[in-house]
Amino acid sequence: NAGVTQTPKFQVLKTGQSMTLQCAQDMNHEYMSWYRQDPGMGLRLIHYSVGAGITDQGEVPNGYNVSRSTTEDFPLRLLSAAPSQTSVYFCASSPAGTDYEQYFGPGTRLTVT
Amino acid sequence: GENVEQHPSTLSVQEGDSAVIKCTYSDSASNYFPWYKQELGKRPQLIIDIRSNVGEKKDQRIAVTLNKTAKHFSLHITETQPEDSAVYFCAAAEYGNKLVFGAGTILRVKS
Repeated sequence: NAGVTQTPKFQVLKTGQSMTLQCAQDMNHEYMSWYRQDPGMGLRLIHYSVGAGITDQGEVPNGYNVSRSTTEDFPLRLLSAAPSQTSVYFCASSPAGTDYEQYFGPGTRLTVT
Repeated sequence: GENVEQHPSTLSVQEGDSAVIKCTYSDSASNYFPWYKQELGKRPQLIIDIRSNVGEKKDQRIAVTLNKTAKHFSLHITETQPEDSAVYFCAAAEYGNKLVFGAGTILRVKS
């Protein structure tokens, strides 16, 4: 199993550009989430999904869109990048039911200039 | 919504000493409390978790305690080793996929 994979590892965008961060998991997990990590602030939930076709907002959803057309994939779209979106982005997945452990991907370091 | 506060922000201990990190949460509906360890440039990894129906859980040198009345939980690491040096995050959730994290504690173990 590859676990949770994310692409790209690094990305530099100019203000106003759009892009999609990719996330995939091969563990057949129902739940998937996106977090951003900023220095001194821990990880903050952007969007999450409890299954294909179902998504909801987390703590900091503004400026980001998600969709979940398959169990495996959960892409995060930045509509119009801003310097405030410079961060490290982590995707995570977990099984449904009572096993709550979240498995994190390796992260994408995004810089917006 | 849930708010998690974590203290201290940095902690330095001598190798072999114990380390304690404390977190408080605000939402009494939260019932799942994991702790993650993150090494520099790596992804967070779960080291231990506890549910609200349990007061304490141990795994070798690591233990977590939970006081639901006071809404706080703590991570205890005994006999610290240099490889324990990392950033540690606590989190709380009513459901496992909606974690709210603390700001993190940088643990340095000096040899």
